[in-house]
Amino acid sequence: QKEVEQDPGPLSVPEGAIVSLNCTYSNSAFQYFMWYRQYSRKGPELLMYTYSSGNKEDGRFTAQVDKSSKYISLFIRDSQPSDSATYLCAMSERGDDKIIFGKGTRLHILP
Amino acid sequence: EAQVTQNPRYLITVTGKKLTVTCSQNMNHEYMSWYRQDPGLGLRQIYYSMNVEVTDKGDVPEGYKVSRKEKRNFPLILESPSPNQTSLYFCASSFRGASHGYTFGSGTRLTVV
Repeated sequence: QKEVEQDPGPLSVPEGAIVSLNCTYSNSAFQYFMWYRQYSRKGPELLMYTYSSGNKEDGRFTAQVDKSSKYISLFIRDSQPSDSATYLCAMSERGDDKIIFGKGTRLHILP
Repeated sequence: EAQVTQNPRYLITVTGKKLTVTCSQNMNHEYMSWYRQDPGLGLRQIYYSMNVEVTDKGDVPEGYKVSRKEKRNFPLILESPSPNQTSLYFCASSFRGASHGYTFGSGTRLTVV
């Protein structure tokens, strides 16, 4: 079983819709969870990070962690064409440990 | 502007010809790391450094070298490049540790023929 699994997509949704992106993982020791956005021909950009379980909100973005299910989600409200990108989940056991990345989900927001 | 700068952005080279990809950050970050990104394989860590003169192997270190003589610079060295090192390379840095998020450079697309 891969350590971090993420559906590669592509996921196409109409502008204004709520987008749900997800990752599952197998290592119960993961405590730090991150979401990155990567535009074509650019480096990944940190969107959000959370520690342990719970929700975190930042503008139109909400990150959710369910450690009991080993499942994390990123919700995007009022999606815009500028949100079209690849979204990578990432996680780590300790604050100074290496990060394990998912392979990314390609998202297309249709005008 | 706070950033991680990689050079060159694009590079085509021949098998066996030594090359260096430079990386510099202006944020006084302690943590720096190199990743390669390949289709279907995602981002894989090559080497990382937690401070000056402290480096450690990531998941795919074979064929690569790094050094961290100054806090701001973390060059990636390919002593004898091979075609399987054709990839998109990213340098990244972090102030509070890897799990509080890295700032990534814009990438170096390397082709080895």
